[in-house]
Amino acid sequence: DTGVSQDPRHKITKRGQNVTFRCDPISEHNRLYWYRQTLGQGPEFLTYFQNEAQLEKSRLLSDRFSAERPKGSFSTLEIQRTEQGDSAMYLCASSLARSANEKLFFGSGTQLSVL
Amino acid sequence: SQQGEEDPQALSIQEGENATMNCSYKTSINNLQWYRQNSGRGLVHLILIRSNEREKHSGRLRVTLDTSKKSSSLLITASRAADTASYFCATVIQGAQKLVFGQGTRLTINP
Repeated sequence: DTGVSQDPRHKITKRGQNVTFRCDPISEHNRLYWYRQTLGQGPEFLTYFQNEAQLEKSRLLSDRFSAERPKGSFSTLEIQRTEQGDSAMYLCASSLARSANEKLFFGSGTQLSVL
Repeated sequence: SQQGEEDPQALSIQEGENATMNCSYKTSINNLQWYRQNSGRGLVHLILIRSNEREKHSGRLRVTLDTSKKSSSLLITASRAADTASYFCATVIQGAQKLVFGQGTRLTINP
């Protein structure tokens, strides 16, 4: 399977704990995006990378959130001191950006539940 | 904040009927895309229409774009039970790189 993979699929944690999610994009894709989605809503943009450079971060991404993409391959999203409001599906997507008309390929997401 | 607004929020039709979903957006765009999401899964790209295009077809899908009204529609013809999913429009704002999604239309096809 050469699609976007995310790990873990589900994560249950207690409030105040740190969590880290991993995303492996399609291998030749240079752009990687993180989105967050709550039940009944559309995905909300969090951040994106072009190769290893983080080019944009949403104001939704508080200081407790950090994302990395070392070597321009896989990416990690860490949430420190989790809060119940962080409960959501975290989606990763990748694309091969040749122009402004790129389409995104999504992973299946990591469902986070903060108790 | 969301750029696009889909209408209706939910739609339930009989198998074989056509389904139409609408999307409105606020600012000038480079392109508009439609994605499908099955429950608990990631999104799948369906179709992209550029800002200088007015209509596009892909199999049973037909997308229109009216930039003067800042709106788009997605038509699914001869619906099937497997079309049951949430459908999202997403736009790339001019000068930006990221896709901004609407809140989606939940489509249910009844057998």
